[in-house]
Amino acid sequence: DNQMTQSPSSLSASVGDRVTISCRASQSIGKYLNWYQQKPGKAPKLLIYAASSLQSGVPSRFTGSGSGTDFTLTINSLQPEDFATYYCQQSDDPPYTFGQGTNLEIK
Amino acid sequence: QLQLQESGPGLVKPSQTLSLSCIVSGGSISSHSDYWTWIRQPAGKGLEWIGRVHTSGSANYNPSLKSRVTISVDTSKNQFFLKLNSVTAADTAVYYCARGRAYSGDYFDYWGQGLLVTVSS
Repeated sequence: DNQMTQSPSSLSASVGDRVTISCRASQSIGKYLNWYQQKPGKAPKLLIYAASSLQSGVPSRFTGSGSGTDFTLTINSLQPEDFATYYCQQSDDPPYTFGQGTNLEIK
Repeated sequence: QLQLQESGPGLVKPSQTLSLSCIVSGGSISSHSDYWTWIRQPAGKGLEWIGRVHTSGSANYNPSLKSRVTISVDTSKNQFFLKLNSVTAADTAVYYCARGRAYSGDYFDYWGQGLLVTVSS
């Protein structure tokens, strides 16, 4: 299986900050990397697919980049509703795997 | 607007079979560009891909569960199903159904709200 490792596991930031979350795959996955946001008690929500494509309806302050094994999710100008847990997921080859999650908390 | 909704028992006894359904509304499960997927999440933990089924009936499973899991589809009812045999407490989790886009990198753009299944006697 392709192991996905996110860093950091947790992050404290303030409203208005710019934050970056990293995701590394144990094997190259091209651009088959997706990002999700999950709030407590809710299903994950797709933010970014194919490494850098913004899902319809997602604010443009969310951007994704990377290819191969190293990927980044950047959130510009954090808003109160952005405090949540973020997961990366590889969809290059089944079994699809997720990162362990990054918990973004309010400082 | 596509909607997915999980249903099934919230409590299953150890060694028995967990059986869940996911009904799809607002769209057709017969779309050849979609996979229908089950994902689970133990309390306080991360997400685990269980497997997927295509409208053709072709399915793929997580090797960690492969010997115990079956995912099937009923296009006449616009539903797909999960069966997990010989459950233990380790199978206690919130189970989500989701749509994967087959030709666009298989990302999951629509999810059910999730169903908590507890394995306990």
